Amino acid sequence: GAGVSQSPSNKVTEKGKDVELRCDPISGHTALYWYRQRLGQGLEFLIYFQGNSAPDKSGLPSDRFSAERTGESVSTLTIQRTQQEDSAVYLCASRRPSGTDTQYFGPGTRLTVL
Amino acid sequence: AQSVTQLGSHVSVSEGALVLLRCNYSSSVPPYLFWYVQYPNQGLQLLLKYTTGATLVKGINGFEAEFKKSETSFHLTKPSAHMSDAAEYFCAVSVGNAGKSTFGDGTTLTVKP
Repeated sequence: GAGVSQSPSNKVTEKGKDVELRCDPISGHTALYWYRQRLGQGLEFLIYFQGNSAPDKSGLPSDRFSAERTGESVSTLTIQRTQQEDSAVYLCASRRPSGTDTQYFGPGTRLTVL
Repeated sequence: AQSVTQLGSHVSVSEGALVLLRCNYSSSVPPYLFWYVQYPNQGLQLLLKYTTGATLVKGINGFEAEFKKSETSFHLTKPSAHMSDAAEYFCAVSVGNAGKSTFGDGTTLTVKP
C-alpha cells in the first residue's frame, strides 16, 4: 500500500466494552508506533515495536491497554474495559529501521467512549 | 529523557505575513528534530527534519527551520503565509536509533485573509 492505514476510522463504544484498533504499516517498515492524541493536545507515546525485539511498552497508561504485532506487519491496539478518558484519536506510525528516518502516520482512529 | 516546548498554542497571521512557530527542546544527547503538520481529520505529515549537518533545514511548502544548539531551539518559519497553511503544527525530538519521538503540544496556525 501507499501509506499507513488504520481501521476503523471512527469507533463509538460504551463504557466497559473492549475495543480493538488496527494498523497496517508501510511494507518494509520494521518500526511501528502507537500514539494517543487527546482533543487539543499533543501526541502521547504509547508503544513501539522494532522488528523482533521486545516492544517498548513504557507509554501504555494502564494494564487495560495492550498491543501486538505479527512480525513486521499488522499491529492491533486493544483497550479493555474502556473508560470515558480513553476517548481520543489513536495514531499509528511506521518507519524504516534507521532512527533518523521519517515516521509516516496513518489517519488515525477516533475513539469515543460513551 | 527529552522534552519539547512549543511557545504559543495559537498563532494568527495575515496572509502574506511571516510565519514563526517556536520550538525549544531539552535533550542530554544530540537530538533529531522534526516538524509535522496536521490538517483537520488527517494524520501528521512531515514538514522537515534535522539530523546532522547543515543547521538550516528546508522543507515542503516553503517552510524552513534552523537548529540552534546554543539556544536549544528549532523554530519553524515561512516568509509569506498562505491560506492553505492553516493547520496544527507539531515539533518533535528523538534521540538514538529508536526514533521514539517526544512531541510538543502543538501550535494552531490561523491565517487571516
